[in-house]
Amino acid sequence: GESVGLHLPTLSVQEGDNSIINCAYSNSASDYFIWYKQESGKGPQFIIDIRSNMDKRQGQRVTVLLNKTVKHLSLQIAATQPGDSAVYFCAESSIQGAQKLVFGQGTRLTINP
Amino acid sequence: KAGVTQTPRYLIKTRGQQVTLSCSPISGHRSVSWYQQTPGQGLQFLFEYFSETQRNKGNFPGRFSGRQFSNSRSEMNVSTLELGDSALYLCASSPDGQRNTEAFFGQGTRLTVV
Repeated sequence: GESVGLHLPTLSVQEGDNSIINCAYSNSASDYFIWYKQESGKGPQFIIDIRSNMDKRQGQRVTVLLNKTVKHLSLQIAATQPGDSAVYFCAESSIQGAQKLVFGQGTRLTINP
Repeated sequence: KAGVTQTPRYLIKTRGQQVTLSCSPISGHRSVSWYQQTPGQGLQFLFEYFSETQRNKGNFPGRFSGRQFSNSRSEMNVSTLELGDSALYLCASSPDGQRNTEAFFGQGTRLTVV
């Protein structure tokens, strides 16, 4: 069945360091992937997306890498700041799913001063 | 441009009751999806509406239902509430309902069933 999973449930990094959050997916039909950030008491906030015809996409301080061979997705955050503390979710969708997103369980990122 | 608005923010209901949650999508967005978020199950897809029609449905019992109005606003209803229905219910809107477009979430409605 469909599943999107995260390798690590928690990640703690020093302020200023780079963070890497990983995600594995099992649906080979998935062709669109999104990373969301969720802060306490708020809904998920869109960070960056990538389509299956790409391997890498960059945004402001964030980079998403997609490895379709091993069905792996990662989110890199450069120069991590205290405001980056949150739970990060990867999500995927496929042609059949339209706007149906399958979410991973999330990784909690904490920033040490 | 206003974001996705969900009302109410918090609800407390008794087992056996029914509840209706509301979602106003971003202006111009025609697709509205609903998700349930719990600590144990994470974020799970409930259903998606586009142009007043349910287009996708997740694996939830028939007690969970929804609808969409001509102005794209959507409601979801849960009947015969159970303790396990306690969760954060999130609504997401997308521009035109095609696949592969980002979905923007509201703040959610926190439902507690006692």
